[in-house]
Amino acid sequence: AQTVTQSQPEMSVQEAETVTLSCTYDTSESNYYLFWYKQPPSRQMILVIRQEAYKQQNATENRFSVNFQKAAKSFSLKISDSQLGDTAMYFCAFILGGATNKLIFGTGTLLAVQP
Amino acid sequence: DSGVTQTPKHLITATGQRVTLRCSPRSGDLSVYWYQQSLDQGLQFLIHYYNGEERAKGNILERFSAQQFPDLHSELNLSSLELGDSALYFCASSVTGFGYTFGSGTRLTVV
Repeated sequence: AQTVTQSQPEMSVQEAETVTLSCTYDTSESNYYLFWYKQPPSRQMILVIRQEAYKQQNATENRFSVNFQKAAKSFSLKISDSQLGDTAMYFCAFILGGATNKLIFGTGTLLAVQP
Repeated sequence: DSGVTQTPKHLITATGQRVTLRCSPRSGDLSVYWYQQSLDQGLQFLIHYYNGEERAKGNILERFSAQQFPDLHSELNLSSLELGDSALYFCASSVTGFGYTFGSGTRLTVV
């Protein structure tokens, strides 16, 4: 069975600084995708970034980037130049390739950006 | 607007009652997933429909049921409601490899 583990329940960072959120996953499959979702106080689930397992290059979306270490089954999220609006719960998620597989979520990391 | 529409946004009902939550996926998406998020909890997978057929069940109570209609919208039916059913219920649709697109959720409060 596939699992996703986020070992940091809460984190805090000063505005404009950089923070890294950790995520590890477990699977024996080779075709899968990884995601980071953000859930701000509004509770809306927002896709932050995605990574295909077959790609070695780490994904980047503006201030958000990942460090994907396939052999270590690690998928961390780096937020650069943190902004107050980044304050949210961040969920790491995993899905196997194929149209009918469900997204498996970690337990989340609550990030607080301090002014 | 994510393209996934959930109605209603808020619902307050009494214990023992039955409610129906509705979801319309993004245009072109055949999959609909339902998740439950209790206060300060992660997302619990309930059920997945693909093109009208049930494909997977998660931690869904027997009091809960769902279906996906020919026009691909889905309904989640919750019956004999208990206080513990109070939660945020998300619907999401997906295209393979691109992750889920979530609706804004239905906040259910059982009193």
